[in-house]
Amino acid sequence: DIQMTQSPSSLSASVGDRVTITCRASQGISTFLAWYQQKPGKPPKLLIYGASTLHSGVPSRFSGSGSLTDFTLTISSLQPEDVATYYCHKYNSAPLTFGGGTKVEI
Amino acid sequence: EVQLVQSGPQLKKPGESLKISCKGYGYKFDDHRIGWVRQMPGKGLEWMGLIHPADSETTYSPSFQGRVTFSADKSIDTAYLEWSSLEASDTATYYCARRGCTASSCYLFFEFWGQGTPVTVSS
Repeated sequence: DIQMTQSPSSLSASVGDRVTITCRASQGISTFLAWYQQKPGKPPKLLIYGASTLHSGVPSRFSGSGSLTDFTLTISSLQPEDVATYYCHKYNSAPLTFGGGTKVEI
Repeated sequence: EVQLVQSGPQLKKPGESLKISCKGYGYKFDDHRIGWVRQMPGKGLEWMGLIHPADSETTYSPSFQGRVTFSADKSIDTAYLEWSSLEASDTATYYCARRGCTASSCYLFFEFWGQGTPVTVSS
């Protein structure tokens, strides 16, 4: 099975900082990669699919890039409401594994 | 508006059975696979598997195969997650989620999520 490794597991940054989270697949998955944001006590929310397509309604400060095995989620200017845990998710074929998560704090 | 509404919190004892539900609103329930995701307290998301409500075709994660059962009743637009004998390690919040679609096709990322069903298993 393909493993999804996210890094870092947590980070602390200041408001306005550029934040980058990486996700590495143990085998190539083309661009079948999604990113979700989860706040405490809430279900995850889809941010990006197809590695780089911004989901409707998601602020443009979020962006995604990458293909095959290496992917990146970038927040161009961190805002207080972005405090959350972020997960990558491969969806090319079962099992549709999630990454371990990255907790973002200010 | 697409919504997935899950059944309420559950408190069970080890060895008991449980069936939780996920009802879809605002779309043709038959057309889209439903996934189940586990989140243990303070931990990350774990993909449990999928069910297609149209024909109840299922795909299980190897980690959950044989431990849970997915089912669906398309007549009432509802999917189910069931345990025959709970263990303390089943304590978690369980989410159902619907696959996402672009203008051209549908894929197995999760665009819509239920609110989650907390399950506590304790003697």
